[in-house]
Amino acid sequence: AQTVTQSQPEMSVQEAETVTLSCTYDTSESDYYLFWYKQPPSRQMILVIRQEAYKQQNATENRFSVNFQKAAKSFSLKISDSQLGDAAMYFCAWINGGSQGNLIFGKGTKLSVKP
Amino acid sequence: DAGITQSPRHKVTETGTPVTLRCHQTENHRYMYWYRQDPGHGLRLIHYSYGVKDTDKGEVSDGYSVSRSKTEDFLLTLESATSSQTSVYFCAISPGGTDTQYFGPGTRLTVL
Repeated sequence: AQTVTQSQPEMSVQEAETVTLSCTYDTSESDYYLFWYKQPPSRQMILVIRQEAYKQQNATENRFSVNFQKAAKSFSLKISDSQLGDAAMYFCAWINGGSQGNLIFGKGTKLSVKP
Repeated sequence: DAGITQSPRHKVTETGTPVTLRCHQTENHRYMYWYRQDPGHGLRLIHYSYGVKDTDKGEVSDGYSVSRSKTEDFLLTLESATSSQTSVYFCAISPGGTDTQYFGPGTRLTVL
């Protein structure tokens, strides 16, 4: 079975600094998609970034970027210039390219931002 | 933001009672999903729908049923609620099976 592992239950970063959240996944599939979702205390799940496995270029979205290492099955999220509003749970998720939508989530990393 | 609403947003019920949660979308997306979120877990898929009256089971489907009679509505039913079904339930929608899923605000269900 496919699994997604987030090895850091909690992380902390100083405001304006950079932090990297780790995610690894286990699959034998070659066609898949990866996501990072943010869940602030409001509980709303918010898409941060999406990466297609067939694209070698790492996805970026403003201050958020990923380091996608397909051979290593690693998909880390880098947050630059951290802001207080970045404090949240962050979930890594994976979906098979041939899937009807079974998104597999990691258990999450709780990010705290210190002023 | 994707037009997704969930009702009710909070519910407290007793063991053995039936419960129905509703997800409503205004995006005309083909796919709809129900997940549950528990402490120490990410989200886990309960059931999903890939069209009107087309549904399938997810990872944790035991004790749950779903129905989709209209594109915009996806209902999750707990026929006889148990305390293990105390959770936060999220609905999600997407245009296609591998497209980005957009989530509703969640429903907190407590079964006493």
